[in-house]
Amino acid sequence: NAGVTQTPKFQVLKTGQSMTLQCAQDMNHNSMYWYRQDPGMGLRLIYYSASEGTTDKGEVPNGYNVSRLNKREFSLRLESAAPSQTSVYFCASSEFGTGVLYNEQFFGPGTRLTVL
Amino acid sequence: GDSVTQMEGPVTLSEEAFLTINCTYTATGYPSLFWYVQYPGEGLQLLLKATKADDKGSNKGFEATYRKETTSFHLEKGSVQVSDSAVYFCALTLSSNTGKLIFGQGTTLQVKP
Repeated sequence: NAGVTQTPKFQVLKTGQSMTLQCAQDMNHNSMYWYRQDPGMGLRLIYYSASEGTTDKGEVPNGYNVSRLNKREFSLRLESAAPSQTSVYFCASSEFGTGVLYNEQFFGPGTRLTVL
Repeated sequence: GDSVTQMEGPVTLSEEAFLTINCTYTATGYPSLFWYVQYPGEGLQLLLKATKADDKGSNKGFEATYRKETTSFHLEKGSVQVSDSAVYFCALTLSSNTGKLIFGQGTTLQVKP
């Protein structure tokens, strides 16, 4: 089991460029999440997908789009990158759903993105 | 709104010292509470959890007790090791919010030999 995988590990963009961060999980989880981590601010939820075919905004969705391609994959797209999007991005997945008592999320290793 | 507040870091301790990292929360319902740990260069991993009041979560020598009366979930360890150096995040989830986790800002722990 690879768990949650993310590509790429590092990326440098120029302002205005676009890119897609890829995330995949092999645990057959229903729910998937994208977070950004900034110094002193913890993790903030960008978008999440409670189940295949659904996506919803989190705390900081502006400037991002997502696609839940299938149950395994959940991608995050920056259409026109800005320096304020310089951050570390984490994807996570969980079994959360009916009958699940608590939501343990499993995290990928992260993508470190710099926008110049 | 729902939120988690952790003590400011960084926390620097000598090996075998006692550790406490404070965490308090605000929630409209009855949350489940978690501590996640992030080792350098890695993603977060669950350290321990508690799903109802007075539950004690424990793992790898770390403990935290869900205190509803003080809305707290402080992390403790009796004797820290250099390998415990990491960033620790307190988090909550409410069953009504589709499983979203709300994180505190994180506390960096550095343990010196």
